[in-house]
Amino acid sequence: AQTVTQSQPEMSVQEAETVTLSCTYDTSESDYYLFWYKQPPSRQMILVIRQEAYKQQNATENRFSVNFQKAAKSFSLKISDSQLGDAAMYFCAYRLPNTGNQFYFGTGTSLTVIP
Amino acid sequence: EAQVTQNPRYLITVTGKKLTVTCSQNMNHEYMSWYRQDPGLGLRQIYYSMNVEVTDKGDVPEGYKVSRKEKRNFPLILESPSPNQTSLYFCASSLRQGVEKLFFGSGTQLSVL
Repeated sequence: AQTVTQSQPEMSVQEAETVTLSCTYDTSESDYYLFWYKQPPSRQMILVIRQEAYKQQNATENRFSVNFQKAAKSFSLKISDSQLGDAAMYFCAYRLPNTGNQFYFGTGTSLTVIP
Repeated sequence: EAQVTQNPRYLITVTGKKLTVTCSQNMNHEYMSWYRQDPGLGLRQIYYSMNVEVTDKGDVPEGYKVSRKEKRNFPLILESPSPNQTSLYFCASSLRQGVEKLFFGSGTQLSVL
């Protein structure tokens, strides 16, 4: 079974500080794509960052970066200089091109930003 | 504007009354899918479709039906809703390949009494 594990149901961070959300996954496939989505209280799903598994260089998008450890099947999200608008539920996901291109999501981490 | 349009946003119904949640995308995406979101369980896939007339079960298909008669539309049908189908539902679409992201609809909060 394809699984994505987010072991931190809730996290909090002081405004302007840095926080890391963890994600591990389990797949026997070598080719896949990894994503982090953000869901604010509006419940809209917003793509934060994505990474191709064949790329060794970690993806970055402004204050958001990932630590991708392929051998460990780990894909953590680092948020630097946290802002109040970063408060949301964060979902890790991966996509397997060889099994119908399905997306598999984790259970989410609820991030609180403390002013 | 590229978007996935999902309706309705909120729906309250009673057990056994058939309902349909509509989903339409204007991006010519091949891939479309339905998810339900429940607290502590994340997003679980109900059904997905790789193209017109091609649909497959996801992880939690029981009690749901879908159809893909046109590329842009992918309705979710609950023939006989039950209270355990009370959930937040999302439709999503994507280009078929690779690192292309999922575009999500705005969600449907369904309550089955």
